[in-house]
Amino acid sequence: QVLLVESGGGAVQPGGSLRLSCAASGFTFSSYGMHWVRQAPGKGLEWVAFIRNDGGQIHYVDSVKGRFTISRDESKNTLYVQMNNLRPEDTAVYYCAKDRTYGDFGRLFDVWGQGTMVTVSS
Amino acid sequence: DIQMTQSPSSLSASVGDRVTITCRASQTISYYLNWYQQKPGKAPKLLIYAASSLQSGVPSRFSGSGSGTDFTLTISSLQPEDFATYYCQQSYSTPPFTFGPGTKVDVK
Repeated sequence: QVLLVESGGGAVQPGGSLRLSCAASGFTFSSYGMHWVRQAPGKGLEWVAFIRNDGGQIHYVDSVKGRFTISRDESKNTLYVQMNNLRPEDTAVYYCAKDRTYGDFGRLFDVWGQGTMVTVSS
Repeated sequence: DIQMTQSPSSLSASVGDRVTITCRASQTISYYLNWYQQKPGKAPKLLIYAASSLQSGVPSRFSGSGSGTDFTLTISSLQPEDFATYYCQQSYSTPPFTFGPGTKVDVK
């Protein structure tokens, strides 16, 4: 059974830091790219970051560039995102999602974790 | 960046109804369009990828069509478990992997 389990969420003051983790099981973690996607309360989905299976390609949404760092540890089958200088607008449920490709440009999120809530507030 | 829009933003329907949701891209994305379903408090679930391919395990009452800039998700006969919010997502020009704003389907 393919499973993703996020952890590390919580409440933090503006300017603070958090590291989220996503433990993967049931598939060959080293073979797949991984994403972080977030959802602010009552809002839609926003893709945040992507890391290729080998870590050789990393992308971020503009609003988190320079503040968030995505990484992965193959020995632990775990995806991370280090979030620094957090802002109130980063308040959201953060989901990790497994990447799947198709065609020349197709990328989708075929397995999602249950999400972890991050609240940035003074 | 490619912008995605969806219409309507919400709709009310009854069990058994045929439901159609439209997604439009700000520029051509070929067939690189995916659809997700999200229920309150739950993670999204992949329904359709590559505009019209049904994800394994998804009921055949869900279908997708379109290419270029205009896409459609159709539920042929709405079931009680289909009341949810539906999002489209493009992957033709990335990053970012852009989602539409969502369409909420609720009970009439």
